[in-house]
Amino acid sequence: QKEVEQNSGPLSVPEGAIASLNCTYSDRVSQSFFWYRQYSGKSPELIMSIYSNGDKEDGRFTAQLNKASQYVSLLIRDSQPSDSATYLCAVNSPPSFGAGTTVTVRA
Amino acid sequence: EAGVTQFPSHSVIEKGQTVTLRCDPISGHDNLYWYRRVMGKEIKFLLHFVKESKQDESGMPNNRFLAERTGGTYSTLKVQPAELEDSGVYFCASSNRVAGGGYTFGSGTRLTVV
Repeated sequence: QKEVEQNSGPLSVPEGAIASLNCTYSDRVSQSFFWYRQYSGKSPELIMSIYSNGDKEDGRFTAQLNKASQYVSLLIRDSQPSDSATYLCAVNSPPSFGAGTTVTVRA
Repeated sequence: EAGVTQFPSHSVIEKGQTVTLRCDPISGHDNLYWYRRVMGKEIKFLLHFVKESKQDESGMPNNRFLAERTGGTYSTLKVQPAELEDSGVYFCASSNRVAGGGYTFGSGTRLTVV
C-alpha cells in the first residue's frame, strides 16, 4: 500500500466550476497535511496546510481533513485557467508525497 | 528573499559517469532536504540535513548516492557511477522548521542518464 494515494487524473473542469481533489494516507499517526501546486517544469509550491480535523479555507481553496478516515481533500472554487497544474498531496514532516492529480480548467 | 537554488537545471550524462548536483537553500534555513521524482512516480524523500548533519538518510537508494553539506550552507548530491534508473528530477527543499511545514522547493535538476 502506498503511503499517500491521490485520486487518479487527469481532472478537467470548466471555468467557474469546483475542482475536487482527494487523498488518503496510510500512517494513522500523521499530524501534518499539505497541498502543493506544481506547474509544468516548476517547483512544488505550498498552497494549503492543515493539521486539525475539519475544514480550512484560504481564498478559493478549502482543505478538509478527516483523521478517522485518513482522508484529506482540496476543493478549488470558481476554478480559473490559471489553476491548471498538478496538485500534490503531502503528509507528515518532512512530507511524503502522492503521485499528484493533474487539473485542467477549460476556459 | 532569494529562494532555493539548484544547479544545474538539466544534466545529461552517460551510464557510468559521475554527476554532482548542487542546492543552495534559503539563507538561514538549517533544514535541507533532497527529493527525487522518477518518471511517472511520486516525489520520493531521499534525505534530510540539519545544518551539516544528516538527520535522516533513509530514502537514499544505494551507496552510489552521496550527499554532503559541509559548513551547513549549500549541499551537493553526487551520483557515482550513474545508472539508467537514476534518471529523474531531483528536488531540493529547505525549511527553518523541522515540523509544521514551511518547506520551500527549488526548481529541480532534471537528470537524464543515457
